[in-house]
Amino acid sequence: DSGVTQTPKHLITATGQRVTLRCSPRSGDLSVYWYQQSLDQGLQFLIQYYNGEERAKGNILERFSAQQFPDLHSELNLSSLELGDSALYFCASSLGLSGGTDTQYFGPGTRLTVL
Amino acid sequence: QQQVKQSPQSLIVQKGGISIINCAYENTAFDYFPWYQQFPGKGPALLIAIRPDVSEKKEGRFTISFNKSAKQFSLHIMDSQPGDSATYFCAARYNFNKFYFGSGTKLNVKP
Repeated sequence: DSGVTQTPKHLITATGQRVTLRCSPRSGDLSVYWYQQSLDQGLQFLIQYYNGEERAKGNILERFSAQQFPDLHSELNLSSLELGDSALYFCASSLGLSGGTDTQYFGPGTRLTVL
Repeated sequence: QQQVKQSPQSLIVQKGGISIINCAYENTAFDYFPWYQQFPGKGPALLIAIRPDVSEKKEGRFTISFNKSAKQFSLHIMDSQPGDSATYFCAARYNFNKFYFGSGTKLNVKP
């Protein structure tokens, strides 16, 4: 158990809908990362927050957004869902900015299925 | 555009054998190269990592070999065990925060 929690575990929804994925980082960790894992694209970095502020952006679509709250939990919002958004979404947390060799701890993931 | 290319896609090794997974990259600005292990239904977990100023790092049965001039790095698993059966991902870090992952290698260690 990495100490990172993600809810829900599974999510089934329809095209065009909007969903919110939630992540609680390990106690003491200030950074939260979001990743998308799909069969054809592998594991892709989406976005990173540090202590409430956005710090890095990867291949995140404009239909997706995220935020980190004062209690450090984070939410990933996916809107206007398409079939291709079906994937595993992972959250990872780390202590700091990863300027050194800060270890990222991954949560168990949320499996999103868009029908 | 794949920033980190990983091979092979799958690997079958006999118990006690050596498992070797290779990764290649193009961006010389990458400054940190971790390897992750992922079991079915779980998130990736950091296995071992290396900086580009080091040519080799060993932790137990796991060794990373790093060739900066060739822009390649590899994971060697010595004395492979059935419990090592998992998917392995190499990754490379850019600008301190952006991580690019390889496509993964599914390792099956036969008893």
